[in-house]
Amino acid sequence: NAGVTQTPKFQVLKTGQSMTLQCAQDMNHNSMYWYRQDPGMGLRLIYYSASEGTTDKGEVPNGYNVSRLNKREFSLRLESAAPSQTSVYFCASAGSQETQYFGPGTRLLVL
Amino acid sequence: DQQVKQNSPSLSVQEGRISILNCDYTNSMFDYFLWYKKYPAEGPTFLISISSIKDKNEDGRFTVFLNKSAKHLSLHIVPSQPGDSAVYFCAASALGRGSTLGRLYFGRGTQLTVWP
Repeated sequence: NAGVTQTPKFQVLKTGQSMTLQCAQDMNHNSMYWYRQDPGMGLRLIYYSASEGTTDKGEVPNGYNVSRLNKREFSLRLESAAPSQTSVYFCASAGSQETQYFGPGTRLLVL
Repeated sequence: DQQVKQNSPSLSVQEGRISILNCDYTNSMFDYFLWYKKYPAEGPTFLISISSIKDKNEDGRFTVFLNKSAKHLSLHIVPSQPGDSAVYFCAASALGRGSTLGRLYFGRGTQLTVWP
């Protein structure tokens, strides 16, 4: 039982490049989330998916898109990366309770 | 506008003493509160939670207190251990509130350092 997994662990991009961050959970959770963490800013919600087939914007959605591929997988796409998107990205999932379980994170550096 | 606030960015406590981490919230719709612990280069891990129908929840060395009238909660760690050194995030949720169902609002975190 791996919980929430994220790939890649670390990525360096040049400005304007695109990439997709992958997230998968094996806890049969309905809800999945993408956050970014920046120094002194805590965790800010980018997008979330309350159930398979639905997605909603969070606090900081600009510059990102998401896909809820199936119940297990929720991906985050940067179409044209900018230095302001340098951050640590966390994926999380939750079942019927409100407790969210987090993955180990993806560290992204945009040059 | 931040709905969950942790006004102390850092706290330093001696091993064996009590650590008290504080959190304030502004949204009266919040009815479920959580604390997460985060080590460097790892994801946040769930620590303890409390529903608004309670004013205290205890799990081993960790106790969370909720004061709804003051919109304030605190996490007590007794006794503190060096392994408790981490960033602690407070989070809040409004259960079953339409489109915000399941969404957590996080504070900015408090870095706890426990020294021997």
